[in-house]
Amino acid sequence: GDSVTQMEGPVTLSEEAFLTINCTYTATGYPSLFWYVQYPGEGLQLLLKATKADDKGSNKGFEATYRKETTSFHLEKGSVQVSDSAVYFCALSDEYSGAGSYQLTFGKGTKLSVIP
Amino acid sequence: NAGVTQTPKFRVLKTGQSMTLLCAQDMNHEYMYWYRQDPGMGLRLIHYSVGEGTTAKGEVPDGYNVSRLKKQNFLLGLESAAPSQTSVYFCASSYQKGQAYNQPQHFGDGTRLSIL
Repeated sequence: GDSVTQMEGPVTLSEEAFLTINCTYTATGYPSLFWYVQYPGEGLQLLLKATKADDKGSNKGFEATYRKETTSFHLEKGSVQVSDSAVYFCALSDEYSGAGSYQLTFGKGTKLSVIP
Repeated sequence: NAGVTQTPKFRVLKTGQSMTLLCAQDMNHEYMYWYRQDPGMGLRLIHYSVGEGTTAKGEVPDGYNVSRLKKQNFLLGLESAAPSQTSVYFCASSYQKGQAYNQPQHFGDGTRLSIL
């Protein structure tokens, strides 16, 4: 079945440092890829998405490029801020996944802490 | 601008008790989902619905039932609560437009449930 593997956390960075959170996937079909962010005490929010190979999703200074050849969707940000402290989830939705093409498969999440 | 609203936000139950979690969305979305979030496990799909009057099992459906009597509401029931069901429960919804698998899901803020 489909699966998403993302780097284990927690990740602690100083403000203005460069961030990379690795995400790789396996999928039966041709998936859409997502990054969600969860701030403390809140639900998940869509951060960015990409629906086909070589697409780059971007939002709030975060970027991720859909790499079909390496089955990866790594999240990057050039200069993190304290307000970026959250848990980040990589996810995929696959048109051939299981009983319906409506399900998201999530990675286990990576907790990011940014210190001043 | 409510989006997805979950009630209650917190609840403590004793083993064997029953309860219902309510999810309401005001975005006219066709699809709705229930997830549970456990430490180190990411989010796992319990049940989902692709429209009013329809439900389907997800990855971890045992011990839960759901109903979608109205398009805007999706109820999650625990018939006989067990300590293993202690978790944070998230409801989500998504819009059906063309190929549904690339539509993002919108999440509520979660219900923290403890079973003693």
